[in-house]
Amino acid sequence: ETGVTQSPTHLIKTRGQQVTLRCSSQSGHNTVSWYQQALGQGPQFIFQYYREEENGRGNFPPRFSGLQFPNYSSELNVNALELDDSALYLCASGSLQGSSSGANVLTFGAGSRLTVL
Amino acid sequence: SQKIEQNSEALNIQEGKTATLTCNYTNYSPAYLQWYRQDPGRGPVFLLLIRENEKEKRKERLKVTFDTTLKQSLFHITASQPADSATYLCAPLSFSGTYKYIFGTGTRLKVLA
Repeated sequence: ETGVTQSPTHLIKTRGQQVTLRCSSQSGHNTVSWYQQALGQGPQFIFQYYREEENGRGNFPPRFSGLQFPNYSSELNVNALELDDSALYLCASGSLQGSSSGANVLTFGAGSRLTVL
Repeated sequence: SQKIEQNSEALNIQEGKTATLTCNYTNYSPAYLQWYRQDPGRGPVFLLLIRENEKEKRKERLKVTFDTTLKQSLFHITASQPADSATYLCAPLSFSGTYKYIFGTGTRLKVLA
């Protein structure tokens, strides 16, 4: 197992800029989810991709978007950055047995810490 | 709206004792519930999954219970060790058109030597 790797580990942006975060899923997994974790809070679900299509989204505005590639790697894009976007962004991969299965154990990466000034 | 509550205050416990963490959820009925451990600066790590038709699940020193009537899960660590110090996150499965795991804020556990 290769695990989930994320890049970059840390980055600093200014308000209004755009950022792309990358994730390489664990081998054999077919879903990828992205979470935002503010300091002292639990991870907040942003969205999930299965077979390169978004199949679930949390309460995040459209300026948060993503992609899943055929090799199951993924990107999270955030446009028009705001100060409140400062957080740890976590990528998690899993293995769904059909898109309707719920018993999907998540393997998380170490996260990308984004600071917006 | 769906809500998950975990003790936001840190739990300090003496080494060797049993730690018990609580997770309460409202406004939905998850078919699955997971517990994760998170260390500072790292992503959560999966510990246990329990299904709605299971009352209890064990793994080594860990035990999880799932009471669908009370809408509550309890997470126990027996014979706790300083290495068990971490934040523990509860994640019941939510379904609103698609499945997703919603995480609680977590409970920080500190095991004192």
